[in-house]
Amino acid sequence: SQQGEEDPQALSIQEGENATMNCSYKTSINNLQWYRQNSGRGLVHLILIRSNEREKHSGRLRVTLDTSKKSSSLLITASRAADTASYFCASYSGAGSYQLTFGKGTKLSVIP
Amino acid sequence: DTEVTQTPKHLVMGMTNKKSLKCEQHMGHRAMYWYKQKAKKPPELMFVYSYEKLSINESVPSRFSPECPNSSLLNLHLHALQPEDSALYLCASTLRVAITEAFFGQGTRLTVV
Repeated sequence: SQQGEEDPQALSIQEGENATMNCSYKTSINNLQWYRQNSGRGLVHLILIRSNEREKHSGRLRVTLDTSKKSSSLLITASRAADTASYFCASYSGAGSYQLTFGKGTKLSVIP
Repeated sequence: DTEVTQTPKHLVMGMTNKKSLKCEQHMGHRAMYWYKQKAKKPPELMFVYSYEKLSINESVPSRFSPECPNSSLLNLHLHALQPEDSALYLCASTLRVAITEAFFGQGTRLTVV
């Protein structure tokens, strides 16, 4: 079963614009993670935000977490064509769970 | 070394064949995972090994058989697969289960004919 639901499912923007993707999850979490996947390849970990954190930055990435709403957002600023990929949120579903479960993903297209 | 290496990258097999997918990591991670990913879908968890012991089997058909020979290696043995098993198979590892970020291999693109 999927823990997260991303919104939107697809997003197309011009190079230089910001891209925002949202994720909602169902159960309690220790942390929430975001991954990127280029077409047909493995996933790359982008950023991890712990349940006691509200915001985290890494380069052009900004992640927020609202545990009261069970939601997170990923903001990519000043997007580049190389950011074109699918983005997934993921979390371990439930305390002590071994299952790293992924949301449905957002497919981001950055047009040069 | 922060890589998870999967072999082969591509595999075409008939429904009567037996083949194996291999995964290797040298990061000292003690949890390793197999995921299956269909086109335009998120990865779906198949198996979790923690300290070389099978922790989770997500109701995967017996035609998929995992094996963890040691803490660095993870295999997935395939036998009598169906065309619907065609997918990208991803291996991942984490330092420990349930806490840390996962490192993924590049996957094996499997086609069953």
